[in-house]
Amino acid sequence: QVHLVQSGPEVKKPGASVKVACKASGYTFSSYGISWVRQAPGQGLEWMGWISTYNGNTNYAQKFQGRVTVTTDTSTTTAYMELRSLRSDDTAVYYCAREVGAIDRGWFDPWGQGTLVTVSS
Amino acid sequence: DIQMTQSPSSLSASVGDRVTITCRASQYISNNLNWYQQKPGKAPQLFIYSASNLQSGVPSRFSGSGSGTDFTLTISSLQPEDFASYFCHQSYTTPPTFGGGTKVGIK
Repeated sequence: QVHLVQSGPEVKKPGASVKVACKASGYTFSSYGISWVRQAPGQGLEWMGWISTYNGNTNYAQKFQGRVTVTTDTSTTTAYMELRSLRSDDTAVYYCAREVGAIDRGWFDPWGQGTLVTVSS
Repeated sequence: DIQMTQSPSSLSASVGDRVTITCRASQYISNNLNWYQQKPGKAPQLFIYSASNLQSGVPSRFSGSGSGTDFTLTISSLQPEDFASYFCHQSYTTPPTFGGGTKVGIK
């Protein structure tokens, strides 16, 4: 069965960085890209970026360019999302999701369970 | 970026009701429209992909339709486990974008 399991909740101070892990299992890791999506409390879903687990190519939302880095470790089938220069409005649940279907035209299935990142002084 | 407008933002319905949620794209997206269900404290779950394809394991009372800019998610007979939020998602262009969500509550 396909699973994405994320690392635990984080509490960070403004200006710090956070790195969230997403461990994949149950499928060939390099066959599907991974996207990162966040959801602020009580709000909708916001796509942050994507990585090809095949060759490491990345694509980021313009809003997060320069502040986010997505990487993978194929030896451990784990994807990572690092967000720097954290602000209070970065407080959100961060999800990883496998992208299925045509490249750049796919859908997200499954999703990780989410990681709550709280930014507070 | 393509804007996705969902309506209504919330609704109240009874078990057995037929429920329709709409999603409109700000520009043409072909059939690259997907629907997710999300329950409180849980991750979104794929229900419909490519506008009208039911994800494996999703009950047949759910259906999706539409193409171009206008799409609908229909629940033919609402069940207790269907009370949740639903989000549409366009995957036609990067960045992928989501609708604001529709919360289906109990009347």
